[in-house]
Amino acid sequence: AQSVTQPDIHITVSEGASLELRCNYSYGATPYLFWYVQSPGQGLQLLLKYFSGDTLVQGIKGFEAEFKRSQSSFNLRKPSVHWSDAAEYFCAVGAAYTGGFKTIFGAGTRLFVKA
Amino acid sequence: ETGVTQSPTHLIKTRGQQVTLRCSSQSGHNTVSWYQQALGQGPQFIFQYYREEENGRGNFPPRFSGLQFPNYSSELNVNALELDDSALYLCASSQDPDNEQFFGPGTRLTVL
Repeated sequence: AQSVTQPDIHITVSEGASLELRCNYSYGATPYLFWYVQSPGQGLQLLLKYFSGDTLVQGIKGFEAEFKRSQSSFNLRKPSVHWSDAAEYFCAVGAAYTGGFKTIFGAGTRLFVKA
Repeated sequence: ETGVTQSPTHLIKTRGQQVTLRCSSQSGHNTVSWYQQALGQGPQFIFQYYREEENGRGNFPPRFSGLQFPNYSSELNVNALELDDSALYLCASSQDPDNEQFFGPGTRLTVL
């Protein structure tokens, strides 16, 4: 069965500092991988996705993520955080199974940005 | 291009009642997925509809049911509401089942 682990419940970084949010997944084959961001009271916005090909993926708002098959990881990075990046970040795994297609989300990492 | 819309925005029900939530998919999308997001948690996959047929289901009881219409809009129905059903219900549409999903703003359901 698919599963997604985001080990950090919350992270605090200073504005201008670099950021890395961790994501590990469990799935028998290579899944589709996503990072979403959710601001308070809002729906989810897709930051980036990995389906195949280049393992370093560029997304919106200056985010990137790297797929590492050997570590079953898909960590999200940003070189310089802005105060507006404060939000909840979700890693998600999509995969086909006999009944159809399913997307499983991690529990999320809340990012706090301090001045 | 209109994005994914959901109605109502907020809803308050009592235990045992039934509720219907609605979702209009983005233009050109044939797939709708529904998620339940409890406070402080990640979205939990309820089910997905593709071309009016259920195309995957998460670990939710049968009292959670859905429909997709010929225009690819969708409904989520929950019968015999329980207190634990209080959550944000998110709808997402996509061009195909395995494509990227675009989320609506959600419906906040409170069960008293």
